[in-house]
This record gives sequence, C-alpha cells and structure tokens, in this order.
Amino acid sequence: QQQVKQSPQSLIVQKGGISIINCAYENTAFDYFPWYQQFPGKGPALLIAIRPDVSEKKEGRFTISFNKSAKQFSLHIMDSQPGDSATYFCAAFKAAGNKLTFGGGTRVLVKP
Amino acid sequence: DVKVTQSSRYLVKRTGEKVFLECVQDMDHENMFWYRQDPGLGLRLIYFSYDVKMKEKGDIPEGYSVSREKKERFSLILESASTNQTSMYLCASGWSGVRELFFGEGSRLTVL
Repeated sequence: QQQVKQSPQSLIVQKGGISIINCAYENTAFDYFPWYQQFPGKGPALLIAIRPDVSEKKEGRFTISFNKSAKQFSLHIMDSQPGDSATYFCAAFKAAGNKLTFGGGTRVLVKP
Repeated sequence: DVKVTQSSRYLVKRTGEKVFLECVQDMDHENMFWYRQDPGLGLRLIYFSYDVKMKEKGDIPEGYSVSREKKERFSLILESASTNQTSMYLCASGWSGVRELFFGEGSRLTVL
C-alpha cells in the first residue's frame, strides 16, 4: 500500500510548455514534502520542498502547490526545457520515524 | 560537495549467491539509508541507520540485512540472492534532524 501516490507515471511536453505532476498522501503526520529530480544514471537530488503551513513555494521555474485539506501537492515546471527531462519523485517526511516515503515517480520528457 | 559513493555500479549474480553492496559518505552524516528503486514503485526503504552499529527496518527488509561498523560506511547484504531482488539499489545519507537526503548513483543488481 503506497502511502504517497504519484501521477502520471510519464509525461511528454513540448519545450516551453508546463509540466504538472500530482501527489496525494494519506498520513496527516507527514510534515515536510520534498521533490527529487533524477537524471539517467544518477541518484535523485533534492529539487524543491514545502512545509504544510505554506500553500505555494516557487524556485525559478519550479513551483510546488500544496492543499492540506485535500492532502495533495503538485509540482509545476513552467517553460519546460529539454534539460528538465528526468524522473521526478514526490516524497513525504514524518518526523517520528525520521524517514522519507517516496511516490512512484514520473518520467518527464520535454521535446524540443 | 557531498559525496555518497556506491562501490559497484553494475553486478550480475546467480540465485543463492551472497551479495554485498557497499556505500561510503564523506560528510560525517549520522543517518544512512538503503532504498530499492523499481519502475512504477518509486523508492522503497529497505533499512536505515542512525548511528554506528544501529539499524532499523524500513518498509521492505525481508531478504536483506545491513551492517554499519563505521560512521561513513553502510553495507547492504543479500544473504541468498533471488531473482525478485533484481533491481536498482540506492544508498543515501543525511544529517540527523535535517530532512534532505544525498543519494549515491546507484547499484544495478541482476540476479540470474
């Protein structure tokens, strides 16, 4: 049973378009929600993160939107570039237990 | 830069063999983790460690064990490899109380 559900599994977007990845969680004890980016042949690396007391966080072309009541959060990649082609993982952290739970991942392909 | 090094990038083993995957980090992190990455399932936590000689089971510990004799080194052991353990294995580390994880580049294990 996945505690963090991520969709879609894959996404193709044209250069300059918007990529949107959605995640939903069940456990209200999660208190930190990061997104990791993984390029082929590399390990995941932290991209951006949000706490549940904030509804939106933006860093450059990457924005997290967070809906606490719906227990959902999403990553928006604005003006998508071919260099953004990667697999993206949402995750949720629970302080009690000190561990991250990851979603299933979304493979994003940005076509030039 | 933080460096998490996994000694073997690619391994091919036979069913029943004992397999050692080693991970070394150079940032004096207290916490170290082993994840397994499979398509559509994301990253699933196998074991983690908060300190030398300490270990805790993650979500899928069956068939695996770990060893942490030194702070910088965390080993994953498959006592008797099986074909369903064919996967990408990712090691990660982080500071205690800090939610960011730093990942190695992964070890792709094929069990024939």
